[in-house]
Amino acid sequence: GENVEQHPSTLSVQEGDSAVIKCTYSDSASNYFPWYKQELGKGPQLIIDIRSNVGEKKDQRIAVTLNKTAKHFSLHITETQPEDSAVYFCAPSEGGFKTIFGAGTRLFVKA
Amino acid sequence: DAGVIQSPRHEVTEMGQEVTLRCKPISGHNSLFWYRQTMMRGLELLIYFNNNVPIDDSGMPEDRFSAKMPNASFSTLKIQPSEPRDSAVYFCASSSRQGYGYTFGSGTRLTVV
Repeated sequence: GENVEQHPSTLSVQEGDSAVIKCTYSDSASNYFPWYKQELGKGPQLIIDIRSNVGEKKDQRIAVTLNKTAKHFSLHITETQPEDSAVYFCAPSEGGFKTIFGAGTRLFVKA
Repeated sequence: DAGVIQSPRHEVTEMGQEVTLRCKPISGHNSLFWYRQTMMRGLELLIYFNNNVPIDDSGMPEDRFSAKMPNASFSTLKIQPSEPRDSAVYFCASSSRQGYGYTFGSGTRLTVV
């Protein structure tokens, strides 16, 4: 089965700084790489995803980069704002049904 | 669309009682997933359905847990009898693209005392 690890487990940044969260996985068959954001009292929300045929994808202040050879992908948030404070999960999969979520990274953005 | 709708939002019950959690997926989504979230174990996949058919229930912790999807717009997760260690937030999610991107509900926070 897929082993998924996220680093760091907690990240604290100053407002306006950048934040990077890394996800490593073990299954070389994984071809779908999403990131979810979970705010307090809510369910996880898909914020960005990438397929294995693409190395990078950007959406305003967030981006995801993929290194399939090394089996890791990262979430990049630029110009962080207090509302970016949340728990972020990666969930690599073969695009099938059995998605395994990482343990989560708690991001604090200090105003 | 109202998104994935779960009920109740909160449930407090006594040990030994039956608990039923409900989920209405997004219309048109043909895959439905039940997850459990705890501090210790994170997000755990319990069971998923495709076109109303249970595909894999290997994540269901014990026979006390059961799930049904009688039609495309409704699913239930039942725990009978409930135990304190079942206390967690239970999420339902649906997807239209065979697992490519899930939409989660707001969850049901279950407390068994």
